[in-house]
Amino acid sequence: GNSVTQMEGPVTLSEEAFLTINCTYTATGYPSLFWYVQYPGEGLQLLLKATKADDKGSNKGFEATYRKETTSFHLEKGSVQVSDSAVYFCALSDSRGGFKTIFGAGTRLFVKA
Amino acid sequence: IAGITQAPTSQILAAGRRMTLRCTQDMRHNAMYWYRQDLGLGLRLIHYSNTAGTTGKGEVPDGYSVSRANTDDFPLTLASAVPSQTSVYFCASSPDLGETQYFGPGTRLLVL
Repeated sequence: GNSVTQMEGPVTLSEEAFLTINCTYTATGYPSLFWYVQYPGEGLQLLLKATKADDKGSNKGFEATYRKETTSFHLEKGSVQVSDSAVYFCALSDSRGGFKTIFGAGTRLFVKA
Repeated sequence: IAGITQAPTSQILAAGRRMTLRCTQDMRHNAMYWYRQDLGLGLRLIHYSNTAGTTGKGEVPDGYSVSRANTDDFPLTLASAVPSQTSVYFCASSPDLGETQYFGPGTRLLVL
C-alpha cells in the first residue's frame, strides 16, 4: 500500500541555517505530493505541492522537488527564521489509493534566535 | 470568507457521554474529512466523505460516526466517549478527494 516516511524530529537549527527535511514515499500509481505546515495551536495548512515527476513546489522560501527515481520529496529552505518553527508533514494522494491522502508522522522544527 | 470552522474549540467530557463535534465549510468543497491528532502519532483519518450523502471509513473509525446531509456540514459523533478518545480533532475539506486539504482550527477533547 501507499506510505510516507519522513525524518524523525525534533530538528533544532539556529536562525539563518539551511534546512532539509527528508521525505520518501511508496505508491503504486503516480501520486501528487504535498508539504503541510502546522503552527502551534493551529490546524495544518498547505505549504507547497507537486503533481508530477520533476515538478518543483515552492512557497515562502521553501522548495521541494518531486523525484520519481528516488521516490523522494525533500523539503528545503536556504535560511530559516524563528517564525518557521512548526511541525511539517509530508503527504501523498494517489488515484490507485482511492485518492485518500496519506500523511507522514510529522517533523517538528525549532529555530533558535 | 470563513473557510472551515469547528465547534466547540475545546471540551471536557465524562466517559460514557455522547458528544457531537461540528464542522462547517463555506467553500462548496465536495470532500470532507475528520482526523485525530495524538502526541507523537501524527494525523489519523477517522472518516471521510467524497460528496454529500456518502461517507467512508478511515484508519480509526471505531467509536465514531459521521453524516453528510449536505455539502457544508460534516458532524462527528462519539456515541459513548472513552478516555482513549482524548485527542485533538481536525476537520478538513478539499474540492475533491486527493486535492489540497483545508483544515479547521481543531477541537481539543478531554474524556475523563
